Amino acid sequence: NAGVMQNPRHLVRRRGQEARLRCSPMKGHSHVYWYRQLPEEGLKFMVYLQKENIIDESGMPKERFSAEFPKEGPSILRIQQVVRGDSAAYFCASSPLSSSYNEQFFGPGTRLTVL
Amino acid sequence: AQSVTQLDSHVSVSEGTPVLLRCNYSSSYSPSLFWYVQHPNKGLQLLLKYTSAATLVKGINGFEAEFKKSETSFHLTKPSAHMSDAAEYFCVVSDPSGTSYGKLTFGQGTILTVHP
Repeated sequence: NAGVMQNPRHLVRRRGQEARLRCSPMKGHSHVYWYRQLPEEGLKFMVYLQKENIIDESGMPKERFSAEFPKEGPSILRIQQVVRGDSAAYFCASSPLSSSYNEQFFGPGTRLTVL
Repeated sequence: AQSVTQLDSHVSVSEGTPVLLRCNYSSSYSPSLFWYVQHPNKGLQLLLKYTSAATLVKGINGFEAEFKKSETSFHLTKPSAHMSDAAEYFCVVSDPSGTSYGKLTFGQGTILTVHP
């Protein structure tokens, strides 16, 4: 059973460009969480999705950021018009259930660098 | 609301000596607590979890943690450090209340250095 997959592993964008980060959850997992890790900080929750639904986006910046988890295909975190402050590691995690008792399985992360 | 405080940003030990990484939490409900480890440029791996069963939790690679409700602590320990334990460790809380949906709240992390 393959783990959580994220691609690309490294992404370089210039200011103003768009960044698309992909996450394929573990087989059988229908719950996806996105977290952001800024330099020298712990991970911060961004958004929680189930198939075709955004359940909780309380950690997402109000502008330029969006997320989706379509019926088919990976979850996508999209950042429009990137700025230097968006440089961070973005981690995706998946879980078979949304219960707090279930661990979340993390992908290797996408490290975004904005020039 | 839930929060986690890791009391040490860096811990340095010698190989073969005990490891103690300290964590205090705040939660409105009976929380679930986790310790994750992150090796450089890698993803996060679960070391252990507490979910209201036994208060002493054993994890992988010889790590264990004890949930102490009276002290709101969940410190991570290992009797004897190995060089391969050098990494960053995160204490994490998940609030089972209805609006949290299982999302995790991370501490700031503790970087463990192991000297030969």
